[in-house]
Amino acid sequence: TQLLEQSPQFLSIQEGENLTVYCNSSSVFSSLQWYRQEPGEGPVLLVTVVTGGEVKKLKRLTFQFGDARKDSSLHITAAQPGDTGLYLCAGVVNFGNEKLTFGTGTRLTIIP
Amino acid sequence: GAGVSQSPRYKVAKRGQDVALRCDPISGHVSLFWYQQALGQGPEFLTYFQNEAQLDKSGLPSDRFFAERPEGSVSTLKIQRTQQEDSAVYLCASSGFRTGVETQYFGPGTRLLVL
Repeated sequence: TQLLEQSPQFLSIQEGENLTVYCNSSSVFSSLQWYRQEPGEGPVLLVTVVTGGEVKKLKRLTFQFGDARKDSSLHITAAQPGDTGLYLCAGVVNFGNEKLTFGTGTRLTIIP
Repeated sequence: GAGVSQSPRYKVAKRGQDVALRCDPISGHVSLFWYQQALGQGPEFLTYFQNEAQLDKSGLPSDRFFAERPEGSVSTLKIQRTQQEDSAVYLCASSGFRTGVETQYFGPGTRLLVL
């Protein structure tokens, strides 16, 4: 059972367009992380957000943690083919127990 | 090596066979995690070690699944009497500290196919 729902599940857009991926839950998380996973590889951490309302930027990627720490979003500006991959949000429910609860995933394809 | 390694990378088993999946974490990392990832889905937690102690095994789907980390480094996930629904990618991750928000570094996974 996955507590985190991501939307959209699939997204295919043209290079240069902007996009937003959402991660929603009815549960409160002590922290939330975003990962990107390439085929045949494990997930790689992009960012960790801890404080409600927190916004972090990583080049063209902007991450936001909801005020109530139940949801998050990932916004990509001017998408590039190298952004293609499976994007996963993951939350830590209990501080001190590091196990991650992953979202359902968003498969992003950027068309050159 | 510098990262988490897993072996084998691919495993094909006949239904009913036992399998053992190995994880070599980053040297010195205290915490080790196992996750199961079905095709097209996000990973799901299986179990968690801190050194040699198995602190959480709430995600193991049945008593056919067993994990160990006897010396606090290498870990093995064993699946007995494999079933077709066990087909998935099994991911191992390690992190460096006991508590807190620490980065988990993932291995490439073992892709298990049960026929």
